[in-house]
Amino acid sequence: DVKVTQSSRYLVKRTGEKVFLECVQDMDHENMFWYRQDPGLGLRLIYFSYDVKMKEKGDIPEGYSVSREKKERFSLILESASTNQTSMYLCASSLAPGLTEAFFGQGTRLTVV
Amino acid sequence: RKEVEQDPGPFNVPEGATVAFNCTYSNSASQSFFWYRQDCRKEPKLLMSVYSSGNEDGRFTAQLNRASQYISLLIRDSKLSDSATYLCVVNTMDTGRRALTFGSGTRLQVQP
Repeated sequence: DVKVTQSSRYLVKRTGEKVFLECVQDMDHENMFWYRQDPGLGLRLIYFSYDVKMKEKGDIPEGYSVSREKKERFSLILESASTNQTSMYLCASSLAPGLTEAFFGQGTRLTVV
Repeated sequence: RKEVEQDPGPFNVPEGATVAFNCTYSNSASQSFFWYRQDCRKEPKLLMSVYSSGNEDGRFTAQLNRASQYISLLIRDSKLSDSATYLCVVNTMDTGRRALTFGSGTRLQVQP
């Protein structure tokens, strides 16, 4: 059974903290993505990566960075958490975006206080 | 203008009803289209791809109208278990971006 695993379901962090969200997939997919999901706004792409050490900005990269040191792992970093980054974060992976299914992790509900 | 637009609903329908959702997309260069389903507090999962000729999977029918730039999903004989949010998803390669663009979803509530 294919799997995308996010390290935490729920996180509470303080404003200004550096936050790491980890995502691991076991499908040997080259393409991995980070989205955030907010009511009324849907899923918005933060960053994606199509190969190890490669990254591309999505629609809302400000305040975020990513790391892809290994094929199976894609990390999202909030350099200095702010309250407007309170959201549901979803990691996904895909063999061929737009051609094959994207598989999602269970999501991380991040609250910044 | 959003790249992918959907009516947020909710659509409240009785069991057994037929319900249809539409979705419009703004980029005429979009190439691939999908419907994903998201249950409450769960991750999105692929429901079906949408092909130019239209396609059917059991009670679900998806259609694409490239001229008008919209996609539709028809659900026949609705079940309680169909209650979920349905996400319209589009892939556009012309910008070199290899990622999917999601609509904000249409919520369906099937009632007994």
